[in-house]
Amino acid sequence: DAGVTQSPTHLIKTRGQQVTLRCSPISGHKSVSWYQQVLGQGPQFIFQYYEKEERGRGNFPDRFSARQFPNYSSELNVNALLLGDSALYLCASSEGQWGYEQYFGPGTRLTVT
Amino acid sequence: ELKVEQNPLFLSMQEGKNYTIYCNYSTTSDRLYWYRQDPGKSLESLFVLLSNGAVKQEGRLMASLDTKARLSTLHITAAVHDLSATYFCAVGAASGTYKYIFGTGTRLKVLA
Repeated sequence: DAGVTQSPTHLIKTRGQQVTLRCSPISGHKSVSWYQQVLGQGPQFIFQYYEKEERGRGNFPDRFSARQFPNYSSELNVNALLLGDSALYLCASSEGQWGYEQYFGPGTRLTVT
Repeated sequence: ELKVEQNPLFLSMQEGKNYTIYCNYSTTSDRLYWYRQDPGKSLESLFVLLSNGAVKQEGRLMASLDTKARLSTLHITAAVHDLSATYFCAVGAASGTYKYIFGTGTRLKVLA
């Protein structure tokens, strides 16, 4: 079975631009979570979606938004990019909403210049 | 605010030795996760601990959870070079909404 996939792999954007990152969960998984990992730090939780509804939110500004589609894939949008948004963005999928093992994708490396 | 602290932050150990990584957290939770991350790679799930007293083992790694002490441990037995990586614990918190808070990570280097 295919694991969690993310696209694109790498991305370079300019300050003030907007970016959309995509994630496809493992087949049968209904929950997708998004994380930001700055180099040298642990991942920071951004959102969790389950059955197309937002079920969890971390301490990120409103410039960050996400959605989940009927096929359980997900998009993370970041508006008005700042230099500090440069990071590895990780998507994780799990079977259920809470307490399930999370399987991480390879990540999207975003560089903001 | 939920805080998750790991220690040590860095660990250099000889092959064949035993050691323990500690994960302390600041609020009630019975959802504790351990992950491994190799340089430049994503995270690999190692253990999910869902109740007080839970113990799980896989190869040379064993994880345990004490929810009353708000402490989880990752014990390494007879370390080998292939275990060199960064290890993260993460705590799940559910109070109105769900959050997953990661620790600072422990960078482990096993010397041959």
